[in-house]
Amino acid sequence: EVQLVESGGGLVQPGGSLRLSCAASGFTFNTYWMHWVRQAPGKGLVWVSRIKSDGSTTIYADSMKGRFTISRDNAKNTLYLQMNSLRVEDTAVYYCGTFYYWGQGVLVTVSS
Amino acid sequence: QAVVTQEPSLTVSPGGTVTLTCGSSTGAVTSGHYPYWFQQRPGQAPRTLISDTTNKHSWTPARFSGSLLGGKAVLTLSGAQPEDEAEYYCSLSYSGAVVFGGGTRLTVL
Repeated sequence: EVQLVESGGGLVQPGGSLRLSCAASGFTFNTYWMHWVRQAPGKGLVWVSRIKSDGSTTIYADSMKGRFTISRDNAKNTLYLQMNSLRVEDTAVYYCGTFYYWGQGVLVTVSS
Repeated sequence: QAVVTQEPSLTVSPGGTVTLTCGSSTGAVTSGHYPYWFQQRPGQAPRTLISDTTNKHSWTPARFSGSLLGGKAVLTLSGAQPEDEAEYYCSLSYSGAVVFGGGTRLTVL
């Protein structure tokens, strides 16, 4: 059974940092591009970033460039999203996925 | 950044057929945009229905199908069921960067 489990969310102050993790199982993690997608409360899906199966290529949405860093550890079947200089508008549920399979999401709240 | 457009809301009768569209501000949508369609029910994670324009997954009900028509990606639901009431999102790829549409709220009534 495919499982994607996000963790690392929570409450952080504006300007702070947070690292999200996504533990994958049930599929061959090191053969898939992986993505992060977010959804602000009551809003639509917004694509954040993607990383190639071997980690050699990363692509970001324009609004996330420079603040967010996607990475992966194929030995641990884990995807990461390092988020710096967080803003109130980064408040959202963050989902990891392959675009076929999706995790249940983790809530990040940026507030003072 | 490109803008992907979807109908904000649609209504379909139970057993009826409805077409959701996905357009691009850059011009016609092609298979090279790798259109995807997702279903999201309230409080749930998105679920992929269609990938790469037409490909269904093992969990995709047979009543859903994807295509290209009139320069847009299209999701067709034939024989709507009450459980199909949900938000539907499409996504398009632009040289590897992905853009989601704003979503279509589908009501089965």
